[in-house]
Amino acid sequence: QVQLVESGGGVVQPGRSLRLSCTASGFMFNSYAMHWVRQAPGKGLEWVALLSYDGSTKYYADSVKGRFTISRDNSKNTLYLQMNSLRVEDTAVYYCAKDGPWFDPWGQGTLVTVSS
Amino acid sequence: DIVMTQSPDSLAVSLGERATINCKSSQSVLYNSNNKNYLAWYRQKPGQPPKLIIYWASTRESGVPDRFSGSGSGTDFTLSISSLQAEDVAVYYCQQYFSTPRTFGQGTKVEIK
Repeated sequence: QVQLVESGGGVVQPGRSLRLSCTASGFMFNSYAMHWVRQAPGKGLEWVALLSYDGSTKYYADSVKGRFTISRDNSKNTLYLQMNSLRVEDTAVYYCAKDGPWFDPWGQGTLVTVSS
Repeated sequence: DIVMTQSPDSLAVSLGERATINCKSSQSVLYNSNNKNYLAWYRQKPGQPPKLIIYWASTRESGVPDRFSGSGSGTDFTLSISSLQAEDVAVYYCQQYFSTPRTFGQGTKVEIK
C-alpha cells in the first residue's frame, strides 16, 4: 500500500540545521509532486513546501523561504527538507504528503524541537 | 494568498445527531474550465496525521463512511456528519488546492455532548 515514512527529527539549538527525509513506497514516486506540511504543538496545519515530480519546480511558504530547501532523489524514492537557521517557532511535527492535488496520504510525521 | 476560515472553532454534538462545519475562502476556488471546486476536507484524530475524507468539495474518499458529506461552491463550503459516532471525535480541516501556497482553515474540533 502507499506509505510515507519521515525521519530525521530531533532537538536542535536555534540557528542550527537539520535535514528531514521522507521515504515513499507503494506508488510511482517519480510521477508525483510532494509536499511538506508542519504542525506546531497544539496548533493547526501549515503548508511548508512543494516540489514537482522531477524536482524542477519548488514553492515555499514565506515563513521558511530562504532558510529551508526541498529536494528529492527519485532513485531512492526519498523526499528531503533541509532546514537551516532554525528558529524556536519552527518547532513542529513535520509531515510529508503526496500531491493528488489534495494531500494523500500523509506520513506519521517527525518532531523537530528547536530549543536552547 | 487564499485565506480559509472555518466556523465554529469547536462544537459538541450528541451521538447520532448532525454536525455541520463551515469553511469560507477569501476568493473563489472554483476553476471555471472544469467546474471543479479545489477544496478538500481532512480529519485528524489525536496523535495521528490528518486523513483525507473529501476532495473536489463533495467527493468522498474511498472507505469514508457515507455519513460524511461535503457541499458548497465558489467560496462557501460545508462538511456534514449526518449521525455523529464516537469515532468521529477529531479536528477537521478544510484546505484549498486552487493555488500555491496551499492553505488550511484553522480547524474545527468536534466533541461529544
